[in-house]
Amino acid sequence: KAGVTQTPRYLIKTRGQQVTLSCSPISGHRSVSWYQQTPGQGLQFLFEYFSETQRNKGNFPGRFSGRQFSNSRSEMNVSTLELGDSALYLCASSEGRPAEQFFGPGTRLTVL
Amino acid sequence: KQEVTQIPAALSVPEGENLVLNCSFTDSAIYNLQWFRQDPGKGLTSLLLIQSSQREQTSGRLNASLDKSSGRSTLYIAASQPGDSATYLCAVGGYNDMRFGAGTRLTVKP
Repeated sequence: KAGVTQTPRYLIKTRGQQVTLSCSPISGHRSVSWYQQTPGQGLQFLFEYFSETQRNKGNFPGRFSGRQFSNSRSEMNVSTLELGDSALYLCASSEGRPAEQFFGPGTRLTVL
Repeated sequence: KQEVTQIPAALSVPEGENLVLNCSFTDSAIYNLQWFRQDPGKGLTSLLLIQSSQREQTSGRLNASLDKSSGRSTLYIAASQPGDSATYLCAVGGYNDMRFGAGTRLTVKP
């Protein structure tokens, strides 16, 4: 089976812009979770989608949003980018909850 | 709120040594505990998953144990190799989310 894929792998944006990141889960996995990783805060949970519904949400501002499509692919969007949004964004897929999570390679976002 | 702590934050050992990484958590009502490896700038690679009903799991040179009552898990790495150098994270799975420790950065010197 192919692993979790994330596109793009690297992004450079400027403050105030918006960005959309994509995640394709392992075939058959219906749950996709998103995480933000920074040196100072470590791994922080953003949100989880299951069968196109947001099932859980972390403590992030409304500028962070996401969605899931019928094929389980997921996108997350960050609007009005801030310098502090620079991070590695990771998505993970699993068969359900609670289950083993498998991570993608991440998208490195740099906000200038 | 579940808090996950990993000690030590960094560890440097000579090649061939056996070592133990520690993970502690504050709420014993967990569904599972997962150990990951992360190489610099990369995603997380799942190493071992322990369900709440299990006491340990083994994969090759790796052995992970879980003691829910004391809120502790250990990852034992036997005969360490330079290729084991990475950051190791433990993640505690509740029903609604997964909480990560800050990780232990391991360096294995040839």
